[in-house]
Amino acid sequence: NAGVTQTPKFRILKIGQSMTLQCTQDMNHNYMYWYRQDPGMGLKLIYYSVGAGITDKGEVPNGYNVSRSTTEDFPLRLELAAPSQTSVYFCASSYDQPQHFGDGTRLSIL
Amino acid sequence: QQQVKQSPQSLIVQKGGISIINCAYENTAFDYFPWYQQFPGKGPALLIAIRPDVSEKKEGRFTISFNKSAKQFSLHIMDSQPGDSATYFCAASSTGTASKLTFGTGTRLQVTL
Repeated sequence: NAGVTQTPKFRILKIGQSMTLQCTQDMNHNYMYWYRQDPGMGLKLIYYSVGAGITDKGEVPNGYNVSRSTTEDFPLRLELAAPSQTSVYFCASSYDQPQHFGDGTRLSIL
Repeated sequence: QQQVKQSPQSLIVQKGGISIINCAYENTAFDYFPWYQQFPGKGPALLIAIRPDVSEKKEGRFTISFNKSAKQFSLHIMDSQPGDSATYFCAASSTGTASKLTFGTGTRLQVTL
């Protein structure tokens, strides 16, 4: 039972590059979420989805995009990487509560 | 106001002692209050949660105390163990909001021998 799987675990990007953080869940959850975690700041919601084809902005969506073509997958796209996007990114899924988290992607923008 | 305020930022407790972490919220629509535990290199995992129809919930050594009138809730860890050393996050959510969570800023707990 894999739960929520995130890839890659680590990545270093140059300013201006783009990349996609992958997230997949095998629990058939309808809700999925992307958070970023910065030291001393807790987790901030970037985007969320209530089902395939439906996404909405969270608290800190600027600089990111998402799509949800299937129930299982919820990729997060960074189009023009900036140093302010250096963070640890967590994907989560749920049916209602609680949310189940992946182990994160640590991203550095240099 | 969506903010959840958490204190302290860090906490050092001796083995066998009681760890107490506090959270306060403003949004009276919040009706679900979980605590998540996070170990280094891992994602947060649900530890215990409470809904406002009860004032206390206990699971083993972990207890949530909830004060609806003061809009505060706290996590108590009894007989703290070195294995409890982790970062703890309180959070809150309200029904009908796609189960979105608003997190506190976290408390780094260290349990010493």
